Amino acid sequence: DIQMTQSPSTLSASVGDRVTITCRASQSISSWLAWYQQKPGKAPKVLIYKASSLESGVPSRFSGSGFGTEFTLTISSLQPDDFATYYCQQYNSLWTFGQGTKVEIK
Amino acid sequence: EVRLVESGGGLVQPGGSLRLSCAASGFTFNTYEMNWVRQAPGKGLEWVSYISSSGDTMYYADSVKGRFTISRDNPRNSLYLQMNSLRAEDTALYYCARVLNDVLTGQIFDYWGQGTLVTVSS
Repeated sequence: DIQMTQSPSTLSASVGDRVTITCRASQSISSWLAWYQQKPGKAPKVLIYKASSLESGVPSRFSGSGFGTEFTLTISSLQPDDFATYYCQQYNSLWTFGQGTKVEIK
Repeated sequence: EVRLVESGGGLVQPGGSLRLSCAASGFTFNTYEMNWVRQAPGKGLEWVSYISSSGDTMYYADSVKGRFTISRDNPRNSLYLQMNSLRAEDTALYYCARVLNDVLTGQIFDYWGQGTLVTVSS
């Protein structure tokens, strides 16, 4: 089974900050990685697929990069609506989520 | 508009059974693969099970293999999860999620329901 490890678990940041979340796979997953955003009491929403492709309707301040085993999600300028929990997900072999990164207000 | 509405959750004793349902609308259900994903209270997301569009291929997470069974009724636009031998660690919000299986995207989960809560406790 492929394990996904996200860091950090919690991130405190201010509006306007550049934020980076890292996700590491236990084996190569090529570019088969997605990022989801989840707000309290809501279902997850896909932001990025295939490591770096922006889902339709997602603001351009979100970007993804990486290949193989190392991936990042970057928010270029954090907005009030972005305070949420973010999950990476590999879909190279079935599906596995990372443990999540909660982005909090500093 | 795509809609996924889960039902069937509730309180069940350890060792008991429960059947979850997911009613789909707003898309051609029989052309989409589907999944169940769960989230324990205050915890992260865990993929549970997958079923192909025709219903002839299923996969399960190791944590539920042999206890849970995924199925679908395409004429009724419905997805199911039969859960047997339930344990306290199965307590979670259970989401159904549609798979967007496209050559450009791969198998991402593009639509989710709002979830149904399963509590396993004596």
